[in-house]
Amino acid sequence: KAGVTQTPRYLIKTRGQQVTLSCSPISGHRSVSWYQQTPGQGLQFLFEYFSETQRNKGNFPGRFSGRQFSNSRSEMNVSTLELGDSALYLCASSFDASTTDTQYFGPGTRLTVL
Amino acid sequence: AQSVTQLGSHVSVSEGALVLLRCNYSSSVPPYLFWYVQYPNQGLQLLLKYTSAATLVKGINGFEAEFKKSETSFHLTKPSAHMSDAAEYFCAVSAPNTGFQKLVFGTGTRLLVSP
Repeated sequence: KAGVTQTPRYLIKTRGQQVTLSCSPISGHRSVSWYQQTPGQGLQFLFEYFSETQRNKGNFPGRFSGRQFSNSRSEMNVSTLELGDSALYLCASSFDASTTDTQYFGPGTRLTVL
Repeated sequence: AQSVTQLGSHVSVSEGALVLLRCNYSSSVPPYLFWYVQYPNQGLQLLLKYTSAATLVKGINGFEAEFKKSETSFHLTKPSAHMSDAAEYFCAVSAPNTGFQKLVFGTGTRLLVSP
């Protein structure tokens, strides 16, 4: 079974631009979560989607948004990029939304904002 | 609200020595606890998880952790370190029965293994 895939793996943008990151969960998984990892703030929860519905959102500004499609693939979008948005963005999928269910992480997308 | 504290941003051991990575949690409800490992330029891999069953949890690669409610701890151990264990380790907590998944991570501990 293929793991969680994220595209692109690396991305360079300039301030003010917007960016879209993509995540394909493990086949059969319906829950997708996104996390931001930075040296200063560590790993922080962005949001979680289940069956195309956002079920939980972390403490991030409205510039960060996401969606999930009927095939469970998910995208996250960051508008009006700031230097501080440079980070590794990790996607995780799980079979359902049970809190005991294991989240499997993808390799991440490394975003650099210049 | 849930939080975890990992003591020591860096831990150095010799190959063959005991590995002990510390994690203390704070939770208003009985927590679920996790240890993940991250190798350079990779995502996170689950080592083990505690979900209110046995307090001693065995994971992959010879790691185990013990849930101690009285000490609010979930320390990760491995009897004998291997060079391939060098990585960053994250403790995480989630709240059960909330109907959704949200992991709250500690700041991570980088494990260095010397020959």
